[in-house]
Amino acid sequence: SQTIHQWPATLVQPVGSPLSLECTVEGTSNPNLYWYRQAAGRGLQLLFYSVGIGQISSEVPQNLSASRPQDRQFILSSKKLLLSDSGFYLCAWTRLDNEQFFGPGTRLTVL
Amino acid sequence: AQSVTQLDSQVPVFEEAPVELRCNYSSSVSVYLFWYVQYPNQGLQLLLKYLSGSTLVKGINGFEAEFNKSQTSFHLRKPSVHISDTAEYFCAVKYQGTNAGKSTFGDGTTLTVKP
Repeated sequence: SQTIHQWPATLVQPVGSPLSLECTVEGTSNPNLYWYRQAAGRGLQLLFYSVGIGQISSEVPQNLSASRPQDRQFILSSKKLLLSDSGFYLCAWTRLDNEQFFGPGTRLTVL
Repeated sequence: AQSVTQLDSQVPVFEEAPVELRCNYSSSVSVYLFWYVQYPNQGLQLLLKYLSGSTLVKGINGFEAEFNKSQTSFHLRKPSVHISDTAEYFCAVKYQGTNAGKSTFGDGTTLTVKP
């Protein structure tokens, strides 16, 4: 069966510090991968998606970036965090035409 | 632009009462429809999905939803809720032909079941 991992589970970082969140998927190959952010009391905002290694599409302009160095690894990064980057970050994968499978999420607090 | 509207941001209901969470979407093309549930500090889990066929879809935990093409709606229902159903519920739409399997999500409905 397929599983999706995210780490860390929680993170508290000062403004201006760098960020690296990691997502890995097991049990499938060549998945489409997604990063979402969920602000408090809000819905899901799609940040990035990837259809293959090294292929990244950005949905919204921001100070975040994403990379996919391996087929089942998706990384979300920032060089300098802003207060507005606080939120719950969710990684997900899918096969075309099927539902999305979500990871457990990372709670990021920027102080 | 493609959009998904969940008409109620919060729905309080007493235990064992019926509930309906409403979802409407904009579309001029065929769609796939999903409902997800999110418990506090967790990721989303699929409740049910409509891809084709019967417009009444049954999911996990006793939930069901009906696809109404003419009204572009996909409302979620449960005849008798439990305390454990308290969670955030998201409606999502995937438009056929969308690149990379992307879905558009509604803003969510918080269901609170009271004893």
